[in-house]
Amino acid sequence: QQQVKQSPQSLIVQKGGISIINCAYENTAFDYFPWYQQFPGKGPALLIAIRPDVSEKKEGRFTISFNKSAKQFSLHIMDSQPGDSATYFCAASPNDYKLSFGAGTTVTVRA
Amino acid sequence: NAGVMQNPRHLVRRRGQEARLRCSPMKGHSHVYWYRQLPEEGLKFMVYLQKENIIDESGMPKERFSAEFPKEGPSILRIQQVVRGDSAAYFCASSPPPGTEAFFGQGTRLTVV
Repeated sequence: QQQVKQSPQSLIVQKGGISIINCAYENTAFDYFPWYQQFPGKGPALLIAIRPDVSEKKEGRFTISFNKSAKQFSLHIMDSQPGDSATYFCAASPNDYKLSFGAGTTVTVRA
Repeated sequence: NAGVMQNPRHLVRRRGQEARLRCSPMKGHSHVYWYRQLPEEGLKFMVYLQKENIIDESGMPKERFSAEFPKEGPSILRIQQVVRGDSAAYFCASSPPPGTEAFFGQGTRLTVV
């Protein structure tokens, strides 16, 4: 049973465009929501994370939007670059260590 | 400061053999987590260990799988009598106490033939 539902499965965006990935969860005990970036053959790397006491967090070109009442959160990648082409995973945890991952979104940025 | 080291990177086993996957956490990290990634799926939590203790093994299959993190040496994920369905990428992560960022290794890709 997937505790975190992620969409879309894949997306293609032009260089300079905005990539948007959405995630939804059911478990109200979740209180930590990280996003990971994974390149082929590599392990996931933490990109940005948010806790439910804030509705938005921005780090460089990456922004997390969080809607606690709707139990949804999303990642926006602004000014997408070819180097951003990777698989992105959202995740959620109730206790800072047991992460439940979404199924992943493969982002392809066309030059 | 070396990252989380996993070996081997690739492992091929015949059905019925044993697979041993090793994970050396980052220096100063005493908390280790194992995840499994099936093709086209996200990572699934398996087990959380501290030195000499299993803290949470709620994601471990009940049979054939075991994990340890001894006082000295790497953490080991052991799969006995492997089956084709065990073919996956197994990732290890480590952190200082939970609540801080967990860093992932590059994974071990197990193929059962």
